[in-house]
Amino acid sequence: DAKTTQPPSMDCAEGRAANLPCNHSTISGNEYVYWYRQIHSQGPQYIIHGLKNNETNEMASLIITEDRKSSTLILPHATLRDTAVYYCIVRASGSARQLTFGSGTQLTVLP
Amino acid sequence: DAGVIQSPRHEVTEMGQEVTLRCKPISGHNSLFWYRQTMMRGLELLIYFNNNVPIDDSGMPEDRFSAKMPNASFSTLKIQPSEPRDSAVYFCASSFRPSASTDTQYFGPGTRLTVL
Repeated sequence: DAKTTQPPSMDCAEGRAANLPCNHSTISGNEYVYWYRQIHSQGPQYIIHGLKNNETNEMASLIITEDRKSSTLILPHATLRDTAVYYCIVRASGSARQLTFGSGTQLTVLP
Repeated sequence: DAGVIQSPRHEVTEMGQEVTLRCKPISGHNSLFWYRQTMMRGLELLIYFNNNVPIDDSGMPEDRFSAKMPNASFSTLKIQPSEPRDSAVYFCASSFRPSASTDTQYFGPGTRLTVL
């Protein structure tokens, strides 16, 4: 699976959009981009995933660049409960495989 | 949907004792994963099952660790004998794969294990 690079930490004001970047320049054609988050002392929580088109669900939007070498997770109206470590994971389809978690981005939503 | 259920949520034991962690995956899911999280190593996969069959146990640290999935609704991770370095949070996750395509893993709340 391709390696990802994320900033170690970010702050965001409550009510504003949080934009979390992820670089995956070595991604290959059959690899999906997944985003999970982990709120302190809880299990990782699935947020969203995509292959090449932008995706949106009730939690967030995922914007993938045309060359697929980077993506951005957008939380449109961040709340204090969105404070968590956010993980960007690139993973191939085709088999039941593990998720390889990197260091992620610690997002702190400030009041 | 009850989600992935793990028990116990907290376990404190003494070195040398046997520890058994339990997991009930989401109903209908056919893949199950055991992960371990520590400050030093982050989240790492220990073993995963597909249709109750162990597929990859390369992450199991040593023979003291064993995992079973006797049926589609239950799995155990056993450590015997336990050591202080096994102290960590252990997560179970499950997913559904109707075909050879992407699947999403859903995690349980974890078991925090402390070995004294």
